Amino acid sequence: DAGITQSPRYKITETGRQVTLMCHQTWSHSYMFWYRQDLGHGLRLIYYSAAADITDKGEVPDGYVVSRSKTENFPLTLESATRSQTSVYFCASTGLAGAYNEQFFGPGTRLTVL
Amino acid sequence: GESVGLHLPTLSVQEGDNSIINCAYSNSASDYFIWYKQESGKGPQFIIDIRSNMDKRQGQRVTVLLNKTVKHLSLQIAATQPGDSAVYFCAENIYGGSQGNLIFGKGTKLSVKP
Repeated sequence: DAGITQSPRYKITETGRQVTLMCHQTWSHSYMFWYRQDLGHGLRLIYYSAAADITDKGEVPDGYVVSRSKTENFPLTLESATRSQTSVYFCASTGLAGAYNEQFFGPGTRLTVL
Repeated sequence: GESVGLHLPTLSVQEGDNSIINCAYSNSASDYFIWYKQESGKGPQFIIDIRSNMDKRQGQRVTVLLNKTVKHLSLQIAATQPGDSAVYFCAENIYGGSQGNLIFGKGTKLSVKP
């Protein structure tokens, strides 16, 4: 009954390194999302996925890559991390396609790029 | 700039008092609004939502009011408790049909004084 989990919870990396943030949900929700949260900007959508093998860009996709080979997992990869990608990253999911449905958020991953 | 914003970035209230958190939106096409609560170190948690065909909706101790004429949304918390201390976000769905279009405001921090 874990719901939606993220790993790692904290990560420190260096500029130029590849980093993958994991997101796993146990509800078999169709939709999954990645947001970043920065002071002064609130939550901004990076990528989302409507189903396995279907992904779409959000507001701030540059520098990120996603995949969705299984419904329950939605990893986010920073191929070459930059300092501007220091942020708190939240994964979310929802089971219904319509806009009138809440998204359920994971606990977040705090990423620091040195 | 963002179409969803908050009038007050911080709000301090006495325990037992009512709290009112405000939010403005700029797009008249927005047709779904959500309030989220985010406690320190956690992901956002759904509180209440409202569709544009309503002007008021009540939950347990919370009420959301929607004024489409002035594009204003508010969250009222009755008998505010210390556990209500958190950052509150409003969010809107602009296009009404896609989960990927949920836009979040920057948040208001609510502090409850004992």
